[in-house]
Amino acid sequence: AQSVSQHNHHVILSEAASLELGCNYSYGGTVNLFWYVQYPGQHLQLLLKYFSGDPLVKGIKGFEAEFIKSKFSFNLRKPSVQWSDTAEYFCAVTFDYKLSFGAGTTVTVRA
Amino acid sequence: DTAVSQTPKYLVTQMGNDKSIKCEQNLGHDTMYWYKQDSKKFLKIMFSYNNKELIINETVPNRFSPKSPDKAHLNLHINSLELGDSAVYFCASSQDVGGLAIRNEQFFGPGTRLTVL
Repeated sequence: AQSVSQHNHHVILSEAASLELGCNYSYGGTVNLFWYVQYPGQHLQLLLKYFSGDPLVKGIKGFEAEFIKSKFSFNLRKPSVQWSDTAEYFCAVTFDYKLSFGAGTTVTVRA
Repeated sequence: DTAVSQTPKYLVTQMGNDKSIKCEQNLGHDTMYWYKQDSKKFLKIMFSYNNKELIINETVPNRFSPKSPDKAHLNLHINSLELGDSAVYFCASSQDVGGLAIRNEQFFGPGTRLTVL
């Protein structure tokens, strides 16, 4: 069955540290890939998305993600986090015309 | 202006009751969705409507019935509420371009936290 896995449940880091969140999916067909963020008390917002073309995608707020087809991965990165990046991060993948979410990763950035 | 709005924001009710959650989007989108987020923050699609027609109906108990009076509204009615229905319910919408709504960004509402006692 198709699935989306996020390896890190909770990540704690200090300001200016680099962040990388893993996302893997299991599906052999064409996929569309997304990263959403949910800041405390707010609704989900799109960080970035990938459909085709350059596998390195740049999103808002300095985030980027790389699609590695051979690894079925779409990892999210930010070179230097800020306290305001504290949030829940969700990877999402389209399977069969439905958007399936990973379980989310809680990121806590300490000042 | 709120793009996707939901009411109520919080809903506390007793087992066995019937309740509704309303969703409205002012983005002019053709497709709307309902998601359930459980206590472990896992988000799962429940329903999707495109221009008032049901296009996705996941394995959801038939106590849950969506209704779309027009393409700007998608309401969720839940009969005979059970403890396991406690969750946060999110509404979302996206633009359908050439039948590829799923490729487009989904805009989410603020969520409705349902607590069944």
